Parts: sequence; structure tokens; C-alpha cells
Amino acid sequence: NAGVTQTPKFRVLKTGQSMTLLCAQDMNHEYMYWYRQDPGMGLRLIHYSVGEGTTAKGEVPDGYNVSRLKKQNFLLGLESAAPSQTSVYFCASGGGWAYTEAFFGQGTRLTVV
Amino acid sequence: DQQVKQNSPSLSVQEGRISILNCDYTNSMFDYFLWYKKYPAEGPTFLISISSIKDKNEDGRFTVFLNKSAKHLSLHIVPSQPGDSAVYFCAARFNDMRFGAGTRLTVKP
Repeated sequence: NAGVTQTPKFRVLKTGQSMTLLCAQDMNHEYMYWYRQDPGMGLRLIHYSVGEGTTAKGEVPDGYNVSRLKKQNFLLGLESAAPSQTSVYFCASGGGWAYTEAFFGQGTRLTVV
Repeated sequence: DQQVKQNSPSLSVQEGRISILNCDYTNSMFDYFLWYKKYPAEGPTFLISISSIKDKNEDGRFTVFLNKSAKHLSLHIVPSQPGDSAVYFCAARFNDMRFGAGTRLTVKP
């Protein structure tokens, strides 16, 4: 049982480049989340989804877009990367009304230079 | 707008003693509160939760207390062990799930 898998694990981007982070879960969860972790800031919610085809903004959505075309996948896109987006990104699934807790992936360390 | 706050960035305790981690929140609509533990280079893992209709939940060495009137919750770890050394995040759930900034717990042998 893989749980929550994030791809890639590491990436270095140049300012202005674009990329997509992929999150896949095999637990049939409705809810999925994207967070970023920065020193002293904890985990801040970027976007989330309450089911296939739905997305919603979190605390820090600017500069990011998401899509949930399939229930098991949640994609996070950076259209034009900025150094301020250097962070560790975590995807999670679960939570919501059916499950109390959410399960996290291993994280993606993104550096924008 | 930080709805979940952990005001202590770090805590150091001696092995065998009690660790108390604190968390405050502002949104009275939160219906579940959770604690997660995180080791370096890993994703957070769920530790314990409590519904807003309860004031205490216990699981082995871990107990979470909720004071709704004060909008405050705490995690007690008794007895603390060196393996408990990690960053602990408080989280609160309503439509989504919000996290605090985390507290780094160090348990000294």
C-alpha cells in the first residue's frame, strides 16, 4: 500500500520556469491538500480539493494552480516560478468528513534560483 | 490570518518527564483538532485527535486536552522518550485543515 506518493522529490527551477508537482493516493480519499512548509511558518495550505473535479483556495494560493481531474491525483502547478516559492511542498489526502486525519506524502523540495 | 498558533518554537525535557505542547486557535467553527509528528525529511504523521465535543482524548502515552472556552488545546506526553524528539504540529479542521507553526521537542536521555 503506497499511501500518498509525490513526484518529484527534488527540483531546481530557474525564475520564470514552470513545473507541475504530482500527488497520487491509493486510499480512495475524497479530500486532498497541498501545503508548503517554510521555516518558522509551519504548514500553510495552498489549495485543496473535496472531490474529483473540485478545487478551492487555501491560505496562500497566489502563484499556484491545481487540478483534480481524477480522484486519485492532485496536481500543483507553478506557471512562472519565483524565488519566494522555494519551499518544501507536502501533499496530503484524507481528512474531511469521512476521515479524521490526513495522510501525508514524503514532500518535494523545490528551489527556485 | 493564522487561525492556529503554536507560540513555543521549541521545548526541551528530560527523559521520563512530562512534555506539554500547547496550541491556540481563533476559529470557533473548527470541529476536530489533531496533532501530527514530523521527523526531518519525512512527511508529518498523525498522532492523536480530539473532537470539539470532547475535552480529553487519551492514547497510550499521549493525551490531548481541549478547552473550548479558552480556544486552547494541549498535548501531554508521559513519560517522554528520546524517540519522541521531533517537530509537533497542531492542526484544526473545518472545511479544510489548518496547521500551526510547530514546536520542536527535544527529549534528553
